[in-house]
Amino acid sequence: DGGITQSPKYLFRKEGQNVTLSCEQNLNHDAMYWYRQDPGQGLRLIYYSQIVNDFQKGDIAEGYSVSREKKESFPLTVTSAQKNPTAFYLCASSPSMSSGNTIYFGEGSWLTVV
Amino acid sequence: KQEVTQIPAALSVPEGENLVLNCSFTDSAIYNLQWFRQDPGKGLTSLLLIQSSQREQTSGRLNASLDKSSGRSTLYIAASQPGDSATYLCASTQGAQKLVFGQGTRLTINP
Repeated sequence: DGGITQSPKYLFRKEGQNVTLSCEQNLNHDAMYWYRQDPGQGLRLIYYSQIVNDFQKGDIAEGYSVSREKKESFPLTVTSAQKNPTAFYLCASSPSMSSGNTIYFGEGSWLTVV
Repeated sequence: KQEVTQIPAALSVPEGENLVLNCSFTDSAIYNLQWFRQDPGKGLTSLLLIQSSQREQTSGRLNASLDKSSGRSTLYIAASQPGDSATYLCASTQGAQKLVFGQGTRLTINP
């Protein structure tokens, strides 16, 4: 089935460590996104990519990094510079960044700092 | 800067009732407005997308309306069922598919 796969589902990080969250889509979508969700809150945009080898900062990019070397993959690295990384991370994709497109989400990854 | 607000944060109703969820936004210059459903610990599922030129969209028991002039959107759920229990989020699009989300309304349908 077509969709977005995020892994791992649960991840624990020690203080000072970098961790990478995986996001793979087989929908042949050009645009991909990373959002962060805190308890009882809406989603906030971290990074987005309109096309391979291109990405842009969202509203809360500090302490995060991404790459887009392949169309189907958009991994997110949470660096040690991110002061409060414990959250639910959601990857999404859409056919393009045209405003008329439906956006599709993965099942999310829970990151906890221990 | 666009702000999207959903009130109430939580709502509990008996099964079978019709209900309305509210979404308000501060900047009326939107491309579209979307409603999503989120089950606990899961990703989001798109329910309805209303383009800025449209007034409403319908899918089954769901009907979403959009009034740009007043900065409001509503999601109407008819004949609610326990399976409708979830968090419902609305999001406006300002451009280039950059969504601004509300905090969501957690809906509980009691059997």
